[in-house]
Amino acid sequence: TQLLEQSPQFLSIQEGENLTVYCNSSSVFSSLQWYRQEPGEGPVLLVTVVTGGEVKKLKRLTFQFGDARKDSSLHITAAQPGDTGLYLCAGLLSNDYKLSFGAGTTVTVRA
Amino acid sequence: ETGVTQTPRHLVMGMTNKKSLKCEQHLGHNAMYWYKQSAKKPLELMFVYSLEERVENNSVPSRFSPECPNSSHLFLHLHTLQPEDSALYLCASSQVTGNYEQYFGPGTRLTVT
Repeated sequence: TQLLEQSPQFLSIQEGENLTVYCNSSSVFSSLQWYRQEPGEGPVLLVTVVTGGEVKKLKRLTFQFGDARKDSSLHITAAQPGDTGLYLCAGLLSNDYKLSFGAGTTVTVRA
Repeated sequence: ETGVTQTPRHLVMGMTNKKSLKCEQHLGHNAMYWYKQSAKKPLELMFVYSLEERVENNSVPSRFSPECPNSSHLFLHLHTLQPEDSALYLCASSQVTGNYEQYFGPGTRLTVT
């Protein structure tokens, strides 16, 4: 059973459009992280959110942690081809030492 | 640049071969991880070493054998693998405090023939 569900599984959009990726769970996390993985490479950490309701911005990327710390979203404004990749969310349960990863959302931004 | 290196980047091996994957981290972290990433499947945690002690062995078949000689190096010894073991094997490191943020290497693409 997957602890974190990501949606959609695939997303293909035109350059300049906006997109949102969701990460949902019935579990409460002490923190949640987002990673981006490009083909042939390992995932790279984008952001960590720890407080319910927290919003963090990284240039055109906006990350939000749900008030109850069970879900998160990633919004990309005016997507560019360089945003193409596999976006993974990962949650850390309280008193745990390992992350639970979602299955990922593959984002393709067409020029 | 993540500070975590993995060799080799690509490996093709027969089912009767023995090979080893190597990982090295230059970040001063004290936990290291092996993950398996297969097509259309989420990342699977295989092994965790914290302060050079193995703390997780996630029901991985014995044909995979990890080794962590020190906090900077991690190996995955492979023998008598099956074709379904073909995947991207990722190494990661983190601190053992805080949010355990993972720093990944580029992975080894393994093909078992």
